[in-house]
Amino acid sequence: SYVLTQPPSMSVAPGQTARITCGGNNIRSKNVHWYQQEPGQAPVLVVYDSTDRPSGIPERFSGSNSGNTATLTISRVEAGDEADYYCQVWDRSTDWLFGGGTKLTVL
Amino acid sequence: EVQLVESGGGLVQPGGSLRLSCATSGFTFNTYWMIWVRQAPGKGLEWVASIKPDGSETYYVDSVKGRFTISRDNAKDTLFLQMNSLRVEDTAVYYCTGAPPSHDWGQGTLVTVSS
Repeated sequence: SYVLTQPPSMSVAPGQTARITCGGNNIRSKNVHWYQQEPGQAPVLVVYDSTDRPSGIPERFSGSNSGNTATLTISRVEAGDEADYYCQVWDRSTDWLFGGGTKLTVL
Repeated sequence: EVQLVESGGGLVQPGGSLRLSCATSGFTFNTYWMIWVRQAPGKGLEWVASIKPDGSETYYVDSVKGRFTISRDNAKDTLFLQMNSLRVEDTAVYYCTGAPPSHDWGQGTLVTVSS
């Protein structure tokens, strides 16, 4: 069955760039969606179809997808970006699948 | 404005049953695939079940097959999740949302399975 691999945690200083990865076999062939989740809150879609940004999401959030790795990039990180981030894809073996999540800490 | 409001969660003993509901508004419910997603305490997100707009197709994560049933009432713009033979490991917050990419989510309803 298909597997998505995310680093459990990462930290970044304010103003720097965070790159959160999501690894999967030939993931470039899939549409990857990214969600942000703050503690006690429902997830929020921040990137869909690998590179598109929903209305209302700051331009600081962007996505890319190549080879076996999809990446969510957060530029000029702010304290308010501290949250858990999940990637998501559809695969015929697992239907909808989430990565394990990455806890982003803003130093 | 799109709204999804889950209800029906609570405390139940192992082996018991619960029926979750998700009342929706603000979009054309009967044209969307809908899904349930859950999140166990301190854990990540997990897709649970999906249902086609007309209800004719349903899909489940292996761990709930044969125990959970997803359904919908398009006349009432409402999604359901019937959960039977509940296990301790089903303890989670359950969210309803449109099929991915999921732009809108409910606030979730907590299901606690414990003796």
